[in-house]
Amino acid sequence: QLQLQESGPGLVKPSETLSLTCSVSGDSISNSYYYWGWIRQSPGRGLEWIGTIYYTGSSYYSPSLKSRVTISVDTSKNQFSLKLPSVTAADTAVYYCARQRYRTSPVDDWGQGTLVTVSS
Amino acid sequence: QSVLTQPPSASGTPGQRVTISCSGSSSNIGRSYVYWYQQFPGTAPKVLIYRNNQRPSGVPDRFSGSKSGTSASLAISGLRSEDEADYYCAAWDDSLDVVFGGGTKLTVL
Repeated sequence: QLQLQESGPGLVKPSETLSLTCSVSGDSISNSYYYWGWIRQSPGRGLEWIGTIYYTGSSYYSPSLKSRVTISVDTSKNQFSLKLPSVTAADTAVYYCARQRYRTSPVDDWGQGTLVTVSS
Repeated sequence: QSVLTQPPSASGTPGQRVTISCSGSSSNIGRSYVYWYQQFPGTAPKVLIYRNNQRPSGVPDRFSGSKSGTSASLAISGLRSEDEADYYCAAWDDSLDVVFGGGTKLTVL
């Protein structure tokens, strides 16, 4: 059974870099049928798609975050990661990692989510 | 403001049928599959409906989805108290990638 587990600091200072990792179990991140992504949720912005990556390293980002976001994949560890530099309070949210069946489809499976607070 | 438009709230009594709407445009719902998610407080969303009207295994057939043009609907029949949750629609958008609705809070009276 697929499990997606987010990990990383729950508190990040303004202007620093938010870094999260998603560990995948129950499936290989190199499975050619799936894409892997990040979504965040906050009271003010609702659910917001951040970006998606394929096991080959091809990545796709939300236009609103494209200039700031980097998603990478480590097939040897069956993990993928999110980096968001220069964070502000507006980046405070619950961050979910997820699996998508197609590049052009919404999320099929979600991690449990991790709250990241941006505060000094 | 979310790209897909949902009513912020909906309600019904046990046993009733409730529908939740999701309005989009030709760049999202009009040309792609719609997904529906159920979310309880403090937990991750869970897929209720995928590809407009398909239910994952384990989702009761009380839940059904439909799509017409640039709008979609989620119907819940035989409403139960445990259906009280937030519901979100989502779709692929040609210009913005994956887009979500703002969510509908369902109250079982």
